[in-house]
Amino acid sequence: DAKTTQPNSMESNEEEPVHLPCNHSTISGTDYIHWYRQLPSQGPEYVIHGLTSNVNNRMASLAIAEDRKSSTLILHRATLRDAAVYYCILLTLMDSNYQLIWGAGTKLIIKP
Amino acid sequence: GAVVSQHPSWVICKSGTSVKIECRSLDFQATTMFWYRQFPKQSLMLMATSNEGSKATYEQGVEKDKFLINHASLTLSTLTVTSAHPEDSSFYICSARAWDRGTETQYFGPGTRLLVL
Repeated sequence: DAKTTQPNSMESNEEEPVHLPCNHSTISGTDYIHWYRQLPSQGPEYVIHGLTSNVNNRMASLAIAEDRKSSTLILHRATLRDAAVYYCILLTLMDSNYQLIWGAGTKLIIKP
Repeated sequence: GAVVSQHPSWVICKSGTSVKIECRSLDFQATTMFWYRQFPKQSLMLMATSNEGSKATYEQGVEKDKFLINHASLTLSTLTVTSAHPEDSSFYICSARAWDRGTETQYFGPGTRLLVL
């Protein structure tokens, strides 16, 4: 079962920042928070990941709540090419192997 | 970032035939690869974990005799759908495990769309 909950969809205007929320209230101390996105008819693309501290890379920023029960993916300036399904996933140790447990994701719609 | 390729990108076959899908890590070695299946408008479902030089580990409900996985080298894993039927039509995606900043991540291939007539 997915361990994260996200809104089904969100809309944003082009050139504006986007904040994609994710709740993971049952996160354990060793779970990493990963974000992937999937464009239509393509494989998922890694976006960012973190454990406790906020993270920045060229694609996005990840803000992690102090209690780690939620996180927010921030796209600083959305473009039409950012329209995709964004998945917030916990990397969880299961049966001696780390696994990504995929939820339904958030479909991000960018309006020109 | 690491690159993973899949071949073919799409395939149409007749019911009862077998289809082989290749997954390659192009610029890194992957001791572990994963195979997923995705139906329209649904999320990814893990089918199996493929470890180089050993048998794959299948998720509950996935028939290992129908979905044959071979991971003979550090850069190649193959998934063979044997005696494919229309209900096997789906988007098959592989990924390769890599390490980044103390944790593992997965790099995904572009996917293979299978249509069984």
